[in-house]
Amino acid sequence: GAVVSQHPSWVICKSGTSVKIECRSLDFQATTMFWYRQFPKQSLMLMATSNEGSKATYEQGVEKDKFLINHASLTLSTLTVTSAHPEDSSFYICSATGLGNTEAFFGQGTRLTVV
Amino acid sequence: GQQVMQIPQYQHVQEGEDFTTYCNSSTTLSNIQWYKQRPGGHPVFLIQLVKSGEVKKQKRLTFQFGEAKKNSSLHITATQTTDVGTYFCAGLSSGTYKYIFGTGTRLKVLA
Repeated sequence: GAVVSQHPSWVICKSGTSVKIECRSLDFQATTMFWYRQFPKQSLMLMATSNEGSKATYEQGVEKDKFLINHASLTLSTLTVTSAHPEDSSFYICSATGLGNTEAFFGQGTRLTVV
Repeated sequence: GQQVMQIPQYQHVQEGEDFTTYCNSSTTLSNIQWYKQRPGGHPVFLIQLVKSGEVKKQKRLTFQFGEAKKNSSLHITATQTTDVGTYFCAGLSSGTYKYIFGTGTRLKVLA
């Protein structure tokens, strides 16, 4: 299957700082990218959907000013957690789909710890 | 909003026993996908079902989509220790473009 690379795989940051997570599709053009958050032993909660060149669509309850999503090209989407707090600590994971393809390919995930 | 529930939440089976997880959506689905997530890993796509009543098989795994397109099941025959992980269904509601993940079923296989 197609490859989606997510970076970094883990990050520890201080409270109040911002963290950027990158999600790249390596061998296909990702027309749509999805960002999820997963707490331990829980399901994946969709945070937002981004299409290349347009603003992301956020799910209800997700603060768009806190979780900034940019999908500047067909191979790259970024999620920036701004002014991180300990409650933002979680596993963040992206997935991508290509044009006309509904199968989603997931990145490896990023474990964020805010101290 | 749309909800996708899975039962059971956990299942421990002896190696060689069968296992089934059920997925139920509050809304009618266009299609449903199944994923497997190993501990510490990311979800890996298993299969997609589109047609009402569709049944697909992958070796020891059998996937079924309900006639009403609101539920689905995954059945594993003669489980192996390599089957350990959490199985998620993800449903795509009619008229939308985003998949909502089910609550997941965590499978543990005892050797």
